Amino acid sequence: QKEVEQNSGPLSVPEGAIASLNCTYSDRVSQSFFWYRQYSGKSPELIMSIYSNGDKEDGRFTAQLNKASQYVSLLIRDSQPSDSATYLCAVTGGTSYGKLTFGQGTILTVHP
Amino acid sequence: EPEVTQTPSHQVTQMGQEVILRCVPISNHLYFYWYRQILGQKVEFLVSFYNNEISEKSEIFDDQFSVERPDGSNFTLKIRSTKLEDSAMYFCASSGQYEQYFGPGTRLTVT
Repeated sequence: QKEVEQNSGPLSVPEGAIASLNCTYSDRVSQSFFWYRQYSGKSPELIMSIYSNGDKEDGRFTAQLNKASQYVSLLIRDSQPSDSATYLCAVTGGTSYGKLTFGQGTILTVHP
Repeated sequence: EPEVTQTPSHQVTQMGQEVILRCVPISNHLYFYWYRQILGQKVEFLVSFYNNEISEKSEIFDDQFSVERPDGSNFTLKIRSTKLEDSAMYFCASSGQYEQYFGPGTRLTVT
């Protein structure tokens, strides 16, 4: 069973701080990694994708991938109250080319 | 900006009834998916569809489920005989290659 694990939180950070979200995956042949943001009652919104080891930055967001450790993370700099949401890690690849396997999600609360 | 749309936003049905959930994927995308999320649980993959056929399905996607692309724009999920445990949010997604974009979802309530 291919698993994606996240700390469910909640993770609480003050406004302006860096929020760090972590994810591990069990399928070593996974190839594509995604972070989605999901507000309560809404659909997942793609915020970052990463395919190779290292860091990828987009605005206030940085995704980090370490395939040897089967670990992917998301850093949110200068966190804002509007960043308060559930962050979903999703993985695909290997024998399941298009199928996204999601983690449980980490609830992030940014307090003013 | 192009987006995936879904109708209806909320569907209430009685156990044993058939429902059809509709999706319009992003126009130049070739890969289509259905996922569901039971309240408080993970988003779960149901099925992927490419080139007018199912490319992969999960164990959830049993004989009660079917998908169809009846024309050049719509992508549908049919549940033939709904069960109480089918109550969930159903999300359609589409992708050009790797990145999947989700529609707003249909909340299905089976009573």
